[in-house]
Amino acid sequence: QVLLQESGPGLVKTSETLSLTCNVSGGSVGDYYWSWIRQPPGKGLEWIGYIYNSGSTFYNPSLRSRVTISADTSKNQFSLRLSSVTAADTAVYYCAGELSDQYFDCWGQGTLVTVSS
Amino acid sequence: DIVMTQSPDSLAVSLGERATINCKSSQSVLYSTNNLNYLAWYQQKPGQPPKLLIYWASTRESGVPDRFSGSGSGTDFTLTISSLQAEDVAVYYCQQYYTGRTFGQGTKLEIK
Repeated sequence: QVLLQESGPGLVKTSETLSLTCNVSGGSVGDYYWSWIRQPPGKGLEWIGYIYNSGSTFYNPSLRSRVTISADTSKNQFSLRLSSVTAADTAVYYCAGELSDQYFDCWGQGTLVTVSS
Repeated sequence: DIVMTQSPDSLAVSLGERATINCKSSQSVLYSTNNLNYLAWYQQKPGQPPKLLIYWASTRESGVPDRFSGSGSGTDFTLTISSLQAEDVAVYYCQQYYTGRTFGQGTKLEIK
């Protein structure tokens, strides 16, 4: 069974860079597609981007200029960096995997990141 | 970008009655090569991550009760709960995976 666990600071200052890591257990980060998805409080889901083959990426066009997703196969984890954050980036951030095919069948529990000055 | 639009935004249904949620994509998510619709449905309860219910528009994920069903093709899709149970209260999202990934805005389902 593949398990995902997000980690990172719960509070980030305005204009700084948000950094989160998703630890993958029970599976290899070199396999499958791995995504970051966020959900502002009380709102819907927004896909941020994915990484596959440990290095190929595809991002949401609306966030592309600020997003970097990378993977560390030695630690079996993948990471999100979102630069120049504002209060609008306050959200629960989920990592998710596409294990069976191209839909999200594996999710982390999510981590709340608050952006504040 | 493919934009996913769900209707209604919220829905109240009596226990045991049918609930229907619609999802429309701004362009077709039917891949002609394999005749598959790249469309999934998720259920999200408060404080929890989304849970996969349906993929390929109509294939039920293992363990999902058979009162949940998905239908549609091309740009128009429907999630149906045939007999609403109390535990089905949640927000439901459709999502396309034809190109990139995009979610609908969600439909909140409540008990009438």
